[in-house]
Amino acid sequence: GQQVMQIPQYQHVQEGEDFTTYCNSSTTLSNIQWYKQRPGGHPVFLIQLVKSGEVKKQKRLTFQFGEAKKNSSLHITATQTTDVGTYFCAGTGNTGKLIFGQGTTLQVKP
Amino acid sequence: EPEVTQTPSHQVTQMGQEVILRCVPISNHLYFYWYRQILGQKVEFLVSFYNNEISEKSEIFDDQFSVERPDGSNFTLKIRSTKLEDSAMYFCATRSNTEAFFGQGTRLTVV
Repeated sequence: GQQVMQIPQYQHVQEGEDFTTYCNSSTTLSNIQWYKQRPGGHPVFLIQLVKSGEVKKQKRLTFQFGEAKKNSSLHITATQTTDVGTYFCAGTGNTGKLIFGQGTTLQVKP
Repeated sequence: EPEVTQTPSHQVTQMGQEVILRCVPISNHLYFYWYRQILGQKVEFLVSFYNNEISEKSEIFDDQFSVERPDGSNFTLKIRSTKLEDSAMYFCATRSNTEAFFGQGTRLTVV
């Protein structure tokens, strides 16, 4: 079945450093979504990418969707302690169901 | 902001018992989902529900599980004969066309 792989599993950075998480799908995706889950919380939607090669920015966050629509990345510039949490990508295939990657847990040292 | 409501927030049950987890979706949403998250692990798809029927289910969603929308508003997940390994956070999510909105989750502990 459809699989979405995400790396790295964990990342510890010093405040102010950059952070990137990568997402790869075994199949071509209709779209990809990114969610953030704070410790003890529930996933909260960040953004959706639909077009091949699409790049979107939200302040210090940059999201990219690959040309083949099988991979994506989230890059955070100059991390802050408020960025702590687990970032999940979620791919939507032809059936419409969201399949989540394993998530990348970000720890930021002040 | 619209929100998905889940009850209870925490359920402790004895192994072998049945539990029902409840979700009140956002009113104009059409797609409903149940996901499971074992502590520290990824969010796992269980089942999707559209037009009052299951549209897709994962390998995890076997005969032990069932979903229904009994009164047109609540969306329930029933787990029969619970096992220790069913202990997890269960999230309900609903969406219209784009993003999924997640409820706060029900933490199920099977003892």
